[in-house]
Parts: sequence; structure tokens; C-alpha cells
Amino acid sequence: ETGVTQSPTHLIKTRGQQVTLRCSSQSGHNTVSWYQQALGQGPQFIFQYYREEENGRGNFPPRFSGLQFPNYSSELNVNALELDDSALYLCASSLVRGQSYNSPLHFGNGTRLTVT
Amino acid sequence: QQQVKQSPQSLIVQKGGIPIINCAYENTAFDYFPWYQQFPGKGPALLIAIRPDVSEKKEGRFTISFNKSAKQFSLHIMDSQPGDSATYFCAASNSNSGYALNFGKGTSLLVTP
Repeated sequence: ETGVTQSPTHLIKTRGQQVTLRCSSQSGHNTVSWYQQALGQGPQFIFQYYREEENGRGNFPPRFSGLQFPNYSSELNVNALELDDSALYLCASSLVRGQSYNSPLHFGNGTRLTVT
Repeated sequence: QQQVKQSPQSLIVQKGGIPIINCAYENTAFDYFPWYQQFPGKGPALLIAIRPDVSEKKEGRFTISFNKSAKQFSLHIMDSQPGDSATYFCAASNSNSGYALNFGKGTSLLVTP
């Protein structure tokens, strides 16, 4: 059973550019969530995808968008990058929609994005 | 607005000590309370979780205590080891209608030899 994998591990972008981060869910998981973790903070929910549709969204602007593919892999796209977007972006998958005691979130190791 | 408040921000204990990390929440609809452990350069890893219908859960050296009336829960690490040095996050969500796992700000634990 493979865990959640993310690519790339590190990325440096310039303000105003666009970025795409990728995630492969844990085998058998049909739900993927994305979180942003600023330095020294807890992860903040961006959005969740279930069966290729957005299932919920946190307090992030529309320039944060996502996709989930039929094989349950996922992308996070961020347009018009700002300096404050510098953070660790975490992908997590779960067995069913949402997360619960019987279907916990499993996180990848993240992509460290630096915006200069 | 921080839906889960976690304290302390940092903690230093000697090997064998029992660090305690506390969390509090307001939303009574929350019904799932996991704890995650995060090492530098890694993603959070699920450590232990509890449902609000039980007051305590133990897994190995890790224990969650849950007080539903006070809307508080805590993590105890028995016989702590230097390898337990990490950042710990409490979290909460509503498994029936929520999709977001709400995290605390984290506690950086250092266990000295």
C-alpha cells in the first residue's frame, strides 16, 4: 500500500507567477484535501475533492483552484502568487468523503513553496 | 477565527517525563478529535484519535483525555523519549457535515536525554 506522494518537494517562484502542485492519493482513497501550513502554524484547510468535484472550501481566494482526476490524483493551482503564499502545501487523502474516526486523513510530506 | 485553541506553544521535558498538551474547542458539533505528530520536513502523521462518547483512549504511551462538558481534550505522553521530540497538533471536525479538519497552532515538544 503506497502512501500519499507529492511533487515537487520544493519550489521557488516569483510574485505574480502561477504554480501547479501535484498529489497522488493513498491507494483506495477517493477523497483528497489540500492544506496550507505557514511556518510555525497548524495546517489550514484549502479545499477538498470527492469524485472529481469540489466538496468544500476554506477561506482561500478563487486564485487557489484544484482538480481531481479519475485515478484520484490531484492538482493544486495557485495563480498570481503573492509573498504570503510561501508555505508548506499538504495533500491528504481519506477513504470516504470528509474525515472521521474510521476514515482518517493521511498526509503527504508536502511541497515547500517559496515566493520571492 | 481559531476553532481549536492549543497550549502550550512549546514544551521541554526530561526523558521519562509526562508532557501534557491541552486543546479547547467551541463547536459542539465536532465529533472527531485526532492528534497528529509532525517531524521537520515531514507531513503530519496521525497519532491517536478519540470520539466524544469516550473519556479516555490509550495507544501505547499516548493517551487522550476528553472532557465533553468542558469542551477540552488533552494528550499525555507517558515515559517520553528523545524520539518523541516533534510538533504535535490537535484537531477537530464534524464527520457528518464538515469537510475541514480544524487544527490547533501546534506544540513544539523537546524531550531532553
